[in-house]
Amino acid sequence: QVQLVQSGAEVKKPGASVKVSCKASGYIFTTYGISWVRQAPGQGLEWMGRISTYRGNRNYAQNLQGRVTLTTDTSSSTAYMELRSLRSDDTAMYYCARGGDQSDYWGQGTLVTVSS
Amino acid sequence: DIQMTQSPSTLSASVGDRVTITCRASQSVSSWLAWYQQKPGKAPKLLIYKASTLESGVPSRFSGSGSGTEFTLSISSLQPDDFATYYCQQYDTLGTFGQGTKVEMK
Repeated sequence: QVQLVQSGAEVKKPGASVKVSCKASGYIFTTYGISWVRQAPGQGLEWMGRISTYRGNRNYAQNLQGRVTLTTDTSSSTAYMELRSLRSDDTAMYYCARGGDQSDYWGQGTLVTVSS
Repeated sequence: DIQMTQSPSTLSASVGDRVTITCRASQSVSSWLAWYQQKPGKAPKLLIYKASTLESGVPSRFSGSGSGTEFTLSISSLQPDDFATYYCQQYDTLGTFGQGTKVEMK
């Protein structure tokens, strides 16, 4: 069965970086893109970006451009999201999801807390 | 950036009611629109994609319609399991979510 398993919760200080992993199983990794979505506490969903696992093409949300980098390791079927220069308003649950357009399978989420 | 606006923000309804949620795009997204359901503490669940295509395993009481800039999600007969927050997402140009519609018990 399709599964996306994300890395564990992180606590970071303002200005630091965080890298979240998303390990896919149950399907051929390179046949679907991976999207990243975050959700601040009590707020709605925010699209962060997507990566083609086949070609490596990336698209990012304009408000995160320059601070976020999406990568993949096809040998381990793992996607990564790195966010730099963290601020308190980056505190959120971060989700990876299968599909660069609509997303049919989602990871369990990784809580990133930014606090001094 | 394409903006997505959902209405209403909150909807109070009873089991058995027909429920309709609207999503408007700031510019045409053709039919590149999806609907998700999210329950507290859980990841979103895909309900509909390409505006009107029901995701496998989703009950047929859910339906989607529209194209261009105006879309609707309908639930023909609200069930207890349907109380949740619903989001639209355009994927015509990058991706943008609506702000969500919470369906609560009347």
